[in-house]
Amino acid sequence: DGGITQSPKYLFRKEGQNVTLSCEQNLNHDAMYWYRQDPGQGLRLIYYSQIVNDFQKGDIAEGYSVSREKKESFPLTVTSAQKNPTAFYLCASSSRDISTNEKLFFGSGTQLSVL
Amino acid sequence: DQQVKQNSPSLSVQEGRISILNCDYTNSMFDYFLWYKKYPAEGPTFLISISSIKDKNEDGRFTVFLNKSAKHLSLHIVPSQPGDSAVYFCAASISGNTPLVFGKGTRLSVIA
Repeated sequence: DGGITQSPKYLFRKEGQNVTLSCEQNLNHDAMYWYRQDPGQGLRLIYYSQIVNDFQKGDIAEGYSVSREKKESFPLTVTSAQKNPTAFYLCASSSRDISTNEKLFFGSGTQLSVL
Repeated sequence: DQQVKQNSPSLSVQEGRISILNCDYTNSMFDYFLWYKKYPAEGPTFLISISSIKDKNEDGRFTVFLNKSAKHLSLHIVPSQPGDSAVYFCAASISGNTPLVFGKGTRLSVIA
């Protein structure tokens, strides 16, 4: 089955700790994205990557870092510089094929909480 | 500065009646619009989309209407079912390269 896999489902971070959220897709999509959902805030874009070895900051990139070494993988690191990391994190991917008009496919999310 | 606005945080509708969810946008360059449905602790799933060259797109019980002059779109669900209870996100993009921009969502509750 093709899809996007996020792990872990739940993650806890201690003060001053960096944590990494995993996102893997087997849809052969070129573009991948990280969004953050907070209650009442909708989905806000953290980082996105349209091709391997390249990525761009979204609206709320401060305190986060990403890498895109492989087409299938787009891990997100929440660094200690992110002062309010508690949120539901969503990874998504899309085809660059213009016929699909950038419809995003989402993973099932990771809930990050601070201890 | 929100480019996509969903001004109703919540909506309650009786089963069998019509649900109408509204969305406004400010960027006139947006030319592709989507609706996503999201259950708690799950990722959003694509529902329906519309290109700016159309003013209506229908898929079963779901219809999206686009009014470009008013920069407004709406999602109609007829008839509403209890399983439709979820948060609905409106999203927009400029075809080509931009990531989707999402609204804050509207929580729909369909009451049996």
